[in-house]
Amino acid sequence: GENVEQHPSTLSVQEGDSAVIKCTYSDSASNYFPWYKQELGKGPQLIIDIRSNVGEKKDQRIAVTLNKTAKHFSLHITETQPEDSAVYFCAASIRVSNTGKLIFGQGTTLQVKP
Amino acid sequence: GAGVSQSPSNKVTEKGKDVELRCDPISGHTALYWYRQSLGQGLEFLIYFQGNSAPDKSGLPSDRFSAERTGGSVSTLTIQRTQQEDSAVYLCASSNTGKTEAFFGQGTRLTVV
Repeated sequence: GENVEQHPSTLSVQEGDSAVIKCTYSDSASNYFPWYKQELGKGPQLIIDIRSNVGEKKDQRIAVTLNKTAKHFSLHITETQPEDSAVYFCAASIRVSNTGKLIFGQGTTLQVKP
Repeated sequence: GAGVSQSPSNKVTEKGKDVELRCDPISGHTALYWYRQSLGQGLEFLIYFQGNSAPDKSGLPSDRFSAERTGGSVSTLTIQRTQQEDSAVYLCASSNTGKTEAFFGQGTRLTVV
């Protein structure tokens, strides 16, 4: 079945610096890749997603890139702010069954130091 | 409703007791998912509903776990004879048919003592 690996598990950056989180997936049939941000005591919040027919997508300070050949995708956060501190999860969706079931990475704890 | 609502937000139960966790999805969303998040871990898929049927139950860890959905809306996840390893945050998500964006509730933190 699908497997998603996420790195690093923890990331500490200075405010204003960029942060990059990387994920790899195993099932070439996957074609939807969302990123979620989870703050302490809350449920995951969708922050950006990308579909396999697109190589890059941006939304203000957040961008996601996808390399289908290598089966990896990355989240880029520029000009980080303390409120970006949270746990970030990548996920991949197996579209063969069209259920929308998501397979998640293990998460990255991002700390932005003021 | 405006978002996915889960209740209770916290549940402490004794080992061996049964528990029921409730999820109220976004109005009109026909797809509903349950996930489990153990401490410091990623989200583990449990079950998927489309309407009232569950075409994918592959993530349920044992026969002590079951779920149902009625009226194409509210879903209940039941854990029978709870064990300490069942302690986790149980998250519910919903999405529109034909779309993949899933929106999560705040979760139920289950502690088995």
